[in-house]
Amino acid sequence: EAGVTQFPSHSVIEKGQTVTLRCDPISGHDNLYWYRRVMGKEIKFLLHFVKESKQDESGMPNNRFLAERTGGTYSTLKVQPAELEDSGVYFCASSQDAVLAGGFLWQFFGPGTRLTVL
Amino acid sequence: AQSVTQLGSHVSVSEGALVLLRCNYSSSVPPYLFWYVQYPNQGLQLLLKYTTGATLVKGINGFEAEFKKSETSFHLTKPSAHMSDAAEYFCAVKRSARQLTFGSGTQLTVLP
Repeated sequence: EAGVTQFPSHSVIEKGQTVTLRCDPISGHDNLYWYRRVMGKEIKFLLHFVKESKQDESGMPNNRFLAERTGGTYSTLKVQPAELEDSGVYFCASSQDAVLAGGFLWQFFGPGTRLTVL
Repeated sequence: AQSVTQLGSHVSVSEGALVLLRCNYSSSVPPYLFWYVQYPNQGLQLLLKYTTGATLVKGINGFEAEFKKSETSFHLTKPSAHMSDAAEYFCAVKRSARQLTFGSGTQLTVLP
């Protein structure tokens, strides 16, 4: 079974440019999450999808960030325009339906995308 | 609200020595606690988890953690460090059905 995959692994862009990160969850996982770690600090929650619907986007920092999950499969996270403070590692995770998994939150994480904004 | 504090952003141990990574939590409800590890150039991998039941939890690669409610701690230990254990370790608590709250991470260096 393939794990959560993310593309690209690294991205270096200039301030003001646009970047799109992609996440492919584990097949069959309806829940998809985005997290990010900025400047070696703690990993923080950004948002959560159930299938194609956003369930919780309370962690999205501002309107320069747009997450989509069309068709309920892979997800993209677009940053437009990118700012210096957006540099960090963006993690994606997925999990099965909470009810099927006994109400537990077993999140499987991808390798992350390291974003550097110059 | 749930939160996690990891004491020590960097820990160095000699190969063969005890590994002890500290994690204290704050939770208004019985916590679900996790330790994740990130090896260089890899993703976050679940080491072990505590939900209910036995307070001593065994994980992969010889790691274990003990849930101590009285001390609000969930420290990670391994009796004998191996070079391959060098990585960054994250403690996390389930904040809600949808969110994990992570600590700031501890970088473990294993010295030959």
